[in-house]
Amino acid sequence: DSGVTQTPKHLITATGQRVTLRCSPRSGDLSVYWYQQSLDQGLQFLIQYYNGEERAKGNILERFSAQQFPDLHSELNLSSLELGDSALYFCASSVGVATNEKLFFGSGTQLSVL
Amino acid sequence: SQKIEQNSEALNIQEGKTATLTCNYTNYSPAYLQWYRQDPGRGPVFLLLIRENEKEKRKERLKVTFDTTLKQSLFHITASQPADSATYLCALREGQGFSFIFGKGTRLLVKP
Repeated sequence: DSGVTQTPKHLITATGQRVTLRCSPRSGDLSVYWYQQSLDQGLQFLIQYYNGEERAKGNILERFSAQQFPDLHSELNLSSLELGDSALYFCASSVGVATNEKLFFGSGTQLSVL
Repeated sequence: SQKIEQNSEALNIQEGKTATLTCNYTNYSPAYLQWYRQDPGRGPVFLLLIRENEKEKRKERLKVTFDTTLKQSLFHITASQPADSATYLCALREGQGFSFIFGKGTRLLVKP
């Protein structure tokens, strides 16, 4: 158990809908990262937050947004969903923002858009 | 553009042999490189980190090398076991404020 909690584990929804994925980092970790993993693309970095502030941004679509709350949990909001958004979404956490931080991953949320 | 490349073909080896996985990167100058293990349907798990001034790092049956001239890291598992079967990912970040990037991973299958 990594100590990172993601909910829900599975999510099935329809195109055009909006969903929210939730992540609670390990106790004491201030950084949260979001990744999207599909079979052909591998792990795609979406965004990183540190202590409530956006720290780094990857290939995150404009339809997607995220935030980190004062209690350090984070939410990833996906809107106007398309079939291609079906993927496994991972959250990871680390202590801080140093370049040598190692990441601890949650077990992921499997999103299926029908 | 910046890329991390890992052999996309699965690596099949016999139990007891040494598995060697390759990670190549272009247009990065990372100070650190990391390796993770991922089992099907689960999140990656950190294995090893190596610094740019370290040529080699070992942990039990695992060994990682880092050649900043070749822009390559090699990941070795000695005396491999069927339980080592998984996908292995390399990862790096060039600096603070930059994306933390993973390769697509190489699937290792150790046959008994």
